[in-house]
Amino acid sequence: SQQGEEDPQALSIQEGENATMNCSYKTSINNLQWYRQNSGRGLVHLILIRSNEREKHSGRLRVTLDTSKKSSSLLITASRAADTASYFCATVISSGSARQLTFGSGTQLTVLP
Amino acid sequence: KAGVTQTPRYLIKTRGQQVTLSCSPISGHRSVSWYQQTPGQGLQFLFEYFSETQRNKGNFPGRFSGRQFSNSRSEMNVSTLELGDSALYLCASSWTSGSPAGELFFGEGSRLTVL
Repeated sequence: SQQGEEDPQALSIQEGENATMNCSYKTSINNLQWYRQNSGRGLVHLILIRSNEREKHSGRLRVTLDTSKKSSSLLITASRAADTASYFCATVISSGSARQLTFGSGTQLTVLP
Repeated sequence: KAGVTQTPRYLIKTRGQQVTLSCSPISGHRSVSWYQQTPGQGLQFLFEYFSETQRNKGNFPGRFSGRQFSNSRSEMNVSTLELGDSALYLCASSWTSGSPAGELFFGEGSRLTVL
C-alpha cells in the first residue's frame, strides 16, 4: 500500500508559473524525500527534509514539512518546460534495523511553453 | 563517476518463463534496492541487499528473488512469469544499508513485457 499520496495527480501550468504539489502520509517518518522521474526513466533525487525540519530550499525548489498534519509540499518556482515530469514524495519509515523508502503515487507535472 | 547501470533495458518474455535482471551500483555503494513500477500499483519496494545479505523485503510472492555479489552487483530473478509482472524494474544504490537516511541513486530501469 502507498504510504504517501500526492495531490494533485496531474498539474498543467504555463512556463514561468509556480507549481505546487502536496504529499500526505500516514505514519511517523524519519525523513521525507522528493524525486523526479522523466517519462520511462529512472528517478532523480531532488531534496530531503528531516522530520525535525520545517522548510528547505534548493535552487528553485522549496519543500515544507508539517509533521502534525503528516503532509509536505513541493514548490517549483519559475517553472520551465524541462520541469515536465512526474514528481514523487518518498517517506522513510524505521522498523527495527531496517529502514524502507516508500513512494507515493506521484504528480504528473506538465509545463507548457 | 559512473551511475547505476541496469541491464537489459528492454526485454520481452512469455508467460511461464523466467527472467534475470542485473544492476551494477555506483562504485563504493554497498546497498542495492529493487523497485517495481506499474501504472496501477505505482512504485513498490521489492527488496534491499547490503553486503550480500537481504536486509529488507517487500510484499511480493516467492517468485521474486534476488542476490548480491561480493562486488555489490545485484541480480533479481522472476520465475514463472505472469502477465501482471510486466513493469519497469528499477534498481537503486546507496552508501549504507536501509539507507534512506540519504538519497537513493536510481538506474534507468529494465522494462519487462510479459506476453
